[in-house]
Amino acid sequence: KQEVTQIPAALSVPEGENLVLNCSFTDSAIYNLQWFRQDPGKGLTSLLLIQSSQREQTSGRLNASLDKSSGRSTLYIAASQPGDSATYLCAVSIFPDDKIIFGKGTRLHILP
Amino acid sequence: EAQVTQNPRYLITVTGKKLTVTCSQNMNHEYMSWYRQDPGLGLRQIYYSMNVEVTDKGDVPEGYKVSRKEKRNFPLILESPSPNQTSLYFCASSFFSDSYEQYFGPGTRLTVT
Repeated sequence: KQEVTQIPAALSVPEGENLVLNCSFTDSAIYNLQWFRQDPGKGLTSLLLIQSSQREQTSGRLNASLDKSSGRSTLYIAASQPGDSATYLCAVSIFPDDKIIFGKGTRLHILP
Repeated sequence: EAQVTQNPRYLITVTGKKLTVTCSQNMNHEYMSWYRQDPGLGLRQIYYSMNVEVTDKGDVPEGYKVSRKEKRNFPLILESPSPNQTSLYFCASSFFSDSYEQYFGPGTRLTVT
C-alpha cells in the first residue's frame, strides 16, 4: 500500500534563507507528484505538478524535483519570505488505481 | 472564474440526520474527488470519480456515498452521520488524475454531535 511521508512535520527558518522540504513515497508506480500549499483554515493551492517521467519543475522561487526510483521528491524554496509561512503538502497519483495519497504535510514558519 | 465550489461551508448537525454536501466545478473536469482532513491524519481520499456515472472508493469510504450524474457536480452524502465523521471536507477536480493538477474547493467544516 502506498504511503507518503513528509519530514520534518514542522520547520522554522529565518527570512531570506533557502530551504528544502522533503517528501518520500513507498511505491514508484505513480502517475505524478504534486506539491500544495495550505494556509490556516483555507483550501489547498497547487504549487507544482511533476509527471512521473519528469525530473523537476520550476515556478518562480520554487523548484520541485522527483526521483521516482528512490521514492523521493523535494521542494526547494529560494530566498524565503514571511508570506511563505504555510503548510506544504505533497500528494501522489497512484498507477493504475487513479487514487491520490497525501503526506501529512510540513508546517513552515518563516521568521521575520 | 474557474473554481470549485462547496456548500455549505459550515454545518453542525446531529447523529443520524442525513445530509448532503454539494460540490460543483466549472472547468469541465473529468476527475473529481472528496477528501477529509483530520489533525494528525492529514488528507485522506473518500471517493473519486473518473467521469459521469463512474465512481470508486478511496481510502476511507465507510459511511459515505457519492453520485456523479452530471459532469460538473459531485455531491457527498452522509446517510447517517456519526461523531467520528466530524471533519474538514474538501472537494477537488482535475482534467484527469494522471497528468493534470488538482483544484480544491474552500472546504466544508462538519460537526456531528
